[in-house]
Amino acid sequence: AQKITQTQPGMFVQEKEAVTLDCTYDTSDPSYGLFWYKQPSSGEMIFLIYQGSYDQQNATEGRYSLNFQKARKSANLVISASQLGDSAMYFCAMRPQGGGSNYKLTFGKGTLLTVNP
Amino acid sequence: DGGITQSPKYLFRKEGQNVTLSCEQNLNHDAMYWYRQDPGQGLRLIYYSQIVNDFQKGDIAEGYSVSREKKESFPLTVTSAQKNPTAFYLCASSMWQGGRTEAFFGQGTRLTVV
Repeated sequence: AQKITQTQPGMFVQEKEAVTLDCTYDTSDPSYGLFWYKQPSSGEMIFLIYQGSYDQQNATEGRYSLNFQKARKSANLVISASQLGDSAMYFCAMRPQGGGSNYKLTFGKGTLLTVNP
Repeated sequence: DGGITQSPKYLFRKEGQNVTLSCEQNLNHDAMYWYRQDPGQGLRLIYYSQIVNDFQKGDIAEGYSVSREKKESFPLTVTSAQKNPTAFYLCASSMWQGGRTEAFFGQGTRLTVV
C-alpha cells in the first residue's frame, strides 16, 4: 500500500527566507512519481514540481526544488526566497509508474505554510 | 483551452437525496480521479478510472458511485447512503503512462447538506 506522511501541520517563515516542507513516503512499487501541489485559500490545486524515482538529479522549477533522498524515502520541498503569495496549503503526492502498475494517486495530509512580512 | 471543468461550483442537497457532480476534461487524459477534502484536511481518494467503463474504489468509496461512459467525463454521485457528504470535492485527470504524469485539477465543488 502507498502512504504519504507530512509531519508538519503548519510552518511559518519570514518573507525572503527559504523553507523546507517535509514529505516521506512508503511504497513497494519499483517505479513511481512524486509530486508537490499548492492549494491557496481559493481551493484550486496548483502543480509545482515532479520527481521520478529513477531521476538522477533533484528536480527544480524556479524557486521550488525537491530534495529527493530515495534510500530514506523522503521528498522534501524547498521554497527559496519566500513570498507572501506562497502562503497556502502544500501537499505531497505519489503515483506508481510503469506498464501494468496501478495508477492510484495518493496525497499526504498537507502542510499549511504562512509567510510573514 | 484545455482543462478540467467541474460543475456546479456550489451545491446544496437535502438529506436523503442523491446528487451528481459533473467532471469533464478535454486534455485527452486516460486517468481520472475524485477526491474529497474536509476543512483543513488532505485529499482522500473516492474513486479512480483508467479507461472507459472501468473504475476502481479508492479509500472512501462507501456512499458514492461513478461512471465512465466517455473518456472525457467522470461524474460522481453522492448517494443518500453517504452519512456526512458535506465537503469539498475535487476531480483530477492525468496521463496514465509516461514519465511525468502530474494530475490536473478542476476548480472543485462545495457540497453542503441542508
